[in-house]
Amino acid sequence: QSALTQPASVSGSPGQSITISCTGTSSDVGSYNLVSWYQQHPGKAPKLMIYEVSKRPSGVSNRFSGSKSGNTASLTISGLQAEDEADYYCCSYAGSSTPVVFGGGTKLTVL
Amino acid sequence: EVQLVESGGGLIQPGGSLRLSCAASGFTVSSNYMSWVRQAPGKGLEWVSVIYSGGSTYYADSVKGRFTISRDNSKNTLYLQMNSLRAEDTAVYYCARDVVGYSYGLGYWGQGTLVTVSS
Repeated sequence: QSALTQPASVSGSPGQSITISCTGTSSDVGSYNLVSWYQQHPGKAPKLMIYEVSKRPSGVSNRFSGSKSGNTASLTISGLQAEDEADYYCCSYAGSSTPVVFGGGTKLTVL
Repeated sequence: EVQLVESGGGLIQPGGSLRLSCAASGFTVSSNYMSWVRQAPGKGLEWVSVIYSGGSTYYADSVKGRFTISRDNSKNTLYLQMNSLRAEDTAVYYCARDVVGYSYGLGYWGQGTLVTVSS
C-alpha cells in the first residue's frame, strides 16, 4: 500500500487561508469517507484535527475544515495563526487487508 | 478521562525482541479498535498495526510476520510484540484509539515510547 501524496511544505501569512492536498487512489481516499488529518508539533504526539473527511473533534477550532473530491482530500486552515505552524498528516482507510495509510506529511510555515 | 501510557521501549540489538505496552484508562480497550503508529527520527507517521474489538488484527507489510498486536482485557492494556528487529524499526511508537467507533480517526494518543535498534 503506497503512502498518500502530500506537498512537502506550504506557507502562509497570519490571517490568510491555506489548503493542504492529499492525493490517494480509488482504493483508499476515493472509495471511503474515512479521511482524517493530524497536526503534530515538534516533539509532541499527533493531534486529530479532522475525521471522516470533514468532522471536527470536540475542541478543534472551526478554522480547520476538510473536504474531498474524487481521490483527493483537502485540509483548509483559515485565519492562519502562528500556533498553526506544525506538520500535518492525512490518513485514509484503505480496505480490509491493510486498513490504514498515512500521507508523507506537510510542513506548514506561518510567515 | 481517556489516557494512554506506553512503555517498554529502549535500545535493542538487530535481530532482538521487545514488547511494548500501552496501559489504558478511562475506557475499555476491548471495546475499541486500537492502533500502533510509529515515527522514525525526522520522518513521517507510519501505521503499524490495528486490533479491532472483535479481535481481528492487521499489519503493515513492513512488519508482517515479525510484529504481533494483542491485548489483555484484565489489565486493560494493549501490546506490541516485536521480533527480528531491524535498524529501520527505530522509531517512536505510539498507541492510539479511535475518536468514535470505526471512524478511523485516531483521537487519543499516548506520549510515545522510543525504540532504538542498533548494535
